[in-house]
Amino acid sequence: QKEVEQDPGPLSVPEGAIVSLNCTYSNSAFQYFMWYRQYSRKGPELLMYTYSSGNKEDGRFTAQVDKSSKYISLFIRDSQPSDSATYLCAMSRIKAAGNKLTFGGGTRVLVKP
Amino acid sequence: SQTIHQWPATLVQPVGSPLSLECTVEGTSNPNLYWYRQAAGRGLQLLFYSVGIGQISSEVPQNLSASRPQDRQFILSSKKLLLSDSGFYLCAWTILGTSGRAYENEQFFGPGTRLTVL
Repeated sequence: QKEVEQDPGPLSVPEGAIVSLNCTYSNSAFQYFMWYRQYSRKGPELLMYTYSSGNKEDGRFTAQVDKSSKYISLFIRDSQPSDSATYLCAMSRIKAAGNKLTFGGGTRVLVKP
Repeated sequence: SQTIHQWPATLVQPVGSPLSLECTVEGTSNPNLYWYRQAAGRGLQLLFYSVGIGQISSEVPQNLSASRPQDRQFILSSKKLLLSDSGFYLCAWTILGTSGRAYENEQFFGPGTRLTVL
């Protein structure tokens, strides 16, 4: 079993819909949670960063962390065709050796005009 | 502001040939540096990381090696490439904060090098 599980998709939604993405994990020591967006043939870019449990909102993006369920989510409101990309979750322990991150496999999202 | 460079952007190499990919970071000092490989449609596999000059940790046994000759330079090498070495290679860096600071674990990625071994 992988430490971080993420549905590969593709997840296809119409423009304007809410995109809902999630990851589950098995290591209860994870405290830092991140979401990256990766366009085709580009490096991932950091979208959201949360520490421990709770919600964080940034514009159209909302990240949620439920540590009791070992489950994190990313919501994209009013989705646009430019949101079509692969979304990767990543997480880390406090004082992880080398500050290493553990990544999910990524979910491909298609927003259709 | 900090920037990260990788070159070349694309590379086609024959099996058995050597490899050298370079990554440099600007605008920061003493970053942690990372090499990842991403196979088509797959997640990121951490290959090597470095916490300082000359300090290399290997995550996956393979025919690749890494070196950090300068503070902001990270090099990925191979003496003889295999077909299975094809993929998208990404360099990343993270800034070091004091214990407990949230941004300590954020990693920032370069544009990547697409390697095809034929």
